[in-house]
Amino acid sequence: DGGITQSPKYLFRKEGQNVTLSCEQNLNHDAMYWYRQDPGQGLRLIYYSQIVNDFQKGDIAEGYSVSREKKESFPLTVTSAQKNPTAFYLCASSILGQGGEKLFFGSGTQLSVL
Amino acid sequence: AQSVAQPEDQVNVAEGNPLTVKCTYSVSGNPYLFWYVQYPNRGLQFLLKYITGDNLVKGSYGFEAEFNKSQTSFHLKKPSALVSDSALYFCAVRDIPNRDDKIIFGKGTRLHILP
Repeated sequence: DGGITQSPKYLFRKEGQNVTLSCEQNLNHDAMYWYRQDPGQGLRLIYYSQIVNDFQKGDIAEGYSVSREKKESFPLTVTSAQKNPTAFYLCASSILGQGGEKLFFGSGTQLSVL
Repeated sequence: AQSVAQPEDQVNVAEGNPLTVKCTYSVSGNPYLFWYVQYPNRGLQFLLKYITGDNLVKGSYGFEAEFNKSQTSFHLKKPSALVSDSALYFCAVRDIPNRDDKIIFGKGTRLHILP
């Protein structure tokens, strides 16, 4: 089945620890995105990538890092600099076109701080 | 900068009644508008979009939305609500359609369909 897979489903971070969230897609999409979802705040864009080896900061990139070494993969690292990491993280992908393309979302990763 | 507002945090509708979830937007150019739905502990699913053409757009699960340029609105509607429509709904907008523009999401509206 084609789709976008996020892992793990639940993740716990200790103080001062970096953690990495995985996102893989087999849809052959060029663009990939990371969003953070907090209750009552909707989705906020962390990073996005439109091509391999290139990515751009979104609205809340501080404390996060990404890489795009392969078209299929766009991992997100939550660093110790992110002081409030507890949230639901969503990865998405889309084809590149004129802007009307829909996003395909993974099932999300819930990150909590121990 | 583009923005999108969903003025209601929650909407309650009796099953079988029509439902409306409101969305207004602000862009500098022409908007691309989207509705997504999220079920508990899941990612978002695409419902429908407006790009150009007919102002009334039909989407999945019997939902439709009407683009109103003068009121800068894109309200989501359904003639007869089902209990299974209970979920979190997000409106999203993309300004001037080029590769560098981001999709911006509203804060979401929780829809409760009462049996």
